[in-house]
Amino acid sequence: DTEVTQTPKHLVMGMTNKKSLKCEQHMGHRAMYWYKQKAKKPPELMFVYSYEKLSINESVPSRFSPECPNSSLLNLHLHALQPEDSALYLCASSGYRLSQETQYFGPGTRLLVL
Amino acid sequence: GENVEQHPSTLSVQEGDSAVIKCTYSDSASNYFPWYKQELGKGPQLIIDIRSNVGEKKDQRIAVTLNKTAKHFSLHITETQPEDSAVYFCAASKGSARQLTFGSGTQLTVLP
Repeated sequence: DTEVTQTPKHLVMGMTNKKSLKCEQHMGHRAMYWYKQKAKKPPELMFVYSYEKLSINESVPSRFSPECPNSSLLNLHLHALQPEDSALYLCASSGYRLSQETQYFGPGTRLLVL
Repeated sequence: GENVEQHPSTLSVQEGDSAVIKCTYSDSASNYFPWYKQELGKGPQLIIDIRSNVGEKKDQRIAVTLNKTAKHFSLHITETQPEDSAVYFCAASKGSARQLTFGSGTQLTVLP
């Protein structure tokens, strides 16, 4: 099973709202990721968690706050977002398959900021 | 840092024909090259990957070739079907898959 799940599938929020995106995997992977994807563009890496610790933060604004409560869960807390933050937010996890670390993506949360 | 260029940006083929998508990378230390397929409204799905110690890998109708000297790799899809229509992304990384550099994507349309 190579499934990464994300909730919600769609989210509409105002610029003053606080919301959270959730991601879950049960593949025993120890690295989890958040990406942002704009239409017709490749995914852009935001954060990487390795063994539940933040290892990479690609200079993401503080209105995005990641959290890794345990090895299977990853959250992205959103606060005071801007309309330009509207995008598809993808979660991924990586683990070893045939001696090669491989990333698997979830279906994404489509976010619209009004 | 690594830079990955992907061509073409759009590709239309007739059902049953072959499709080829090409990527070039800049960092000779890159040694892992996955390909992802992204259908409309879905997340990217890994379809095939190759490591730098292998020149070619095949999985049914999909194959990937790697030329380390020229620093380019290609995705080949044979006997295309309408369900192959999607955006395809190539990527490259060094050592592990934790920092993938993606190409810009190719919109493949298979015409019935």
